[in-house]
Amino acid sequence: DADVTQTPRNRITKTGKRIMLECSQTKGHDRMYWYRQDPGLGLRLIYYSFDVKDINKGEISDGYSVSRQAQAKFSLSLESAIPNQTALYFCATSDCGQGLDYEQYFGPGTRLTVT
Amino acid sequence: AQSVTQLDSQVPVFEEAPVELRCNYSSSVSVYLFWYVQYPNQGLQLLLKYLSGSTLVKGINGFEAEFNKSQTSFHLRKPSVHISDTAEYFCAVSKVQPDAGGTSYGKLTFGQGTILTVHP
Repeated sequence: DADVTQTPRNRITKTGKRIMLECSQTKGHDRMYWYRQDPGLGLRLIYYSFDVKDINKGEISDGYSVSRQAQAKFSLSLESAIPNQTALYFCATSDCGQGLDYEQYFGPGTRLTVT
Repeated sequence: AQSVTQLDSQVPVFEEAPVELRCNYSSSVSVYLFWYVQYPNQGLQLLLKYLSGSTLVKGINGFEAEFNKSQTSFHLRKPSVHISDTAEYFCAVSKVQPDAGGTSYGKLTFGQGTILTVHP
């Protein structure tokens, strides 16, 4: 089984709809991240969480919100979807602390289309 | 704030030829450096990372990268590519917390990506 899972894998929704993307991990990591990928722009950080009670905005948080329901679960919500939120969304996790490898482990991605 | 620039958006190359994917960064503090690969319709996978020590780091699938602090670069190289190396490659940096024993802030800043296409 995959260490980082995302649901749904593909979603088409209409402008104005609320949508939630979910991420679960079995790696036991405290840190979780949401990125969006757009062609030619790389990945940009939306929100990140260093533990259940610590949630922080990334560089492009406008129009998004998140919920850290447990150490293993981190959800991303679009309260009122708009077409320019059409993108590929990735969840990632990492360990923390001195001496660790700092690698981020990525989920398979959710392709979201807003019409 | 830090930034990452990948100098080539697309790199076409023939099979068994060498390849270099270029990455420059800017940061006011020390950083850790990473290269990730994204195969078609998949998530990102770590190729290699530089945290400290030898500036030449070796990764998976025969890739290597060299950290050049004076030129703030972290170029990725492979001496002989295969068709299966066709993918998008991302350079990324993570700031190191000052006076924290090398602990990273954790967040990654990515470059724009380089699409490597290997032709037969």
